[in-house]
Amino acid sequence: GAGVSQSPRYKVTKRGQDVALRCDPISGHVSLYWYRQALGQGPEFLTYFNYEAQQDKSGLPNDRFSAERPEGSISTLTIQRTEQRDSAMYRCASSLPYNEQFFGPGTRLTVL
Amino acid sequence: QQPVQSPQAVILREGEDAVINCSSSKALYSVHWYRQKHGEAPVFLMILLKGGEQKGHDKISASFNEKKQQSSLYLTASQLSYSGTYFCGTEGGMDDKIIFGKGTRLHILP
Repeated sequence: GAGVSQSPRYKVTKRGQDVALRCDPISGHVSLYWYRQALGQGPEFLTYFNYEAQQDKSGLPNDRFSAERPEGSISTLTIQRTEQRDSAMYRCASSLPYNEQFFGPGTRLTVL
Repeated sequence: QQPVQSPQAVILREGEDAVINCSSSKALYSVHWYRQKHGEAPVFLMILLKGGEQKGHDKISASFNEKKQQSSLYLTASQLSYSGTYFCGTEGGMDDKIIFGKGTRLHILP
């Protein structure tokens, strides 16, 4: 079956622009997670959802970052007024309750 | 609180054994282990739950010492395919977020 998909795979944007990153989880997976991963580092938690409810957003760096999952399936991570320090690999993962997470291929964001 | 992994990097010859450690400063509900190859997404290896229940991965085993808040991943008779970066992730409670360590880079030589 299909795994977790993310789009776009690569995004180059200018400082100050807004970006929207999309995650399509494995069908039937209740939980969806967003991470940011710097080169050579582990995934850094941003936020997660159970169904459409955002359970924890403590990892979002500031109020320029937001996420939604309105119908409990696809999720969008939005970064407003991007800054160069936002450049990173953004990964999402999905899982069944209390089970292993399946990671997507990531979106490589570069802010010029 | 990010878990601490050790060693940071290991170089082994094929067939040798490796142990990767993960320790936390707070009480743990579970420990997750993932392997990530260069340019790829992390892939699940194992979950260890408080109370001793363990889910496994063929040829790789792990231990979880709840009192010491530590976990170790054991790779025996390593194969070339074991090369990659290993991350442990810890959960403080059943519905808690996973906090990942900085990783241990493992390189297997033929």
